[in-house]
Amino acid sequence: EVQLVESGGGLVQPGGSLKLSCAASGFTFSGSPIHWVRQASGKGLEWVGRIKTKASSYATAYAASVKGRFTISRDDSKNTAYLQMNSLKTEDTAVYYCTRLQRDYCSGGNCFFDYWGQGTLVTVSS
Amino acid sequence: DIQMTQSPSSLSASVGDRVTITCQASQDISNYLNWYQQKPGKAPKPLIFDASNLETGVPSRFSGSGSGTDFTFTIRSLQPEDIATYYCQQYDDLPLTFGGGTKVEIK
Repeated sequence: EVQLVESGGGLVQPGGSLKLSCAASGFTFSGSPIHWVRQASGKGLEWVGRIKTKASSYATAYAASVKGRFTISRDDSKNTAYLQMNSLKTEDTAVYYCTRLQRDYCSGGNCFFDYWGQGTLVTVSS
Repeated sequence: DIQMTQSPSSLSASVGDRVTITCQASQDISNYLNWYQQKPGKAPKPLIFDASNLETGVPSRFSGSGSGTDFTFTIRSLQPEDIATYYCQQYDDLPLTFGGGTKVEIK
């Protein structure tokens, strides 16, 4: 059974830091780029960033809204991806999902987020 | 960034009705367009990939069409279990972007 399980969410003050984890099982984690998507309460989905596989030198990319503050990493030996969030703002309050895309490069099509975690809530408030 | 404009933002229809949602990209994205269903408190679920391909296990009453900048998602005969919010998403370029969502309710 495929599973992505996020953890590490919670309440943090503005300016603080938090590190989310995404533990994977049931598929070849090392061959899968991992993305983070967030959703503020009652709002739509927002792509946060991604990390590619070792074959693509673990290349990362981020949304403009988090660039310079958030860092995505992965440990293939633990089948786990991470989202380090620094300098948090109230507008970062959201449910954070990790999700998988099928391959690093999608120019041939057939590329969509097929597996999702259940999400973890991050609340930034004083 | 590629903007995805989805409409309507919400709709109310009767069981058995045909439901149509549109998604317009701010530039040509070929067919690099996916559709997801999200029920309250749950993660999104993929329904359609590459504009018109049905994901495995998804009922055939769901369909998608379009290419370039204009896309359509259709539920042929609305069922009670289809109550959800639907999102389009482009993967032609980073940042990956989603439409604003369409909340589908039963009349």
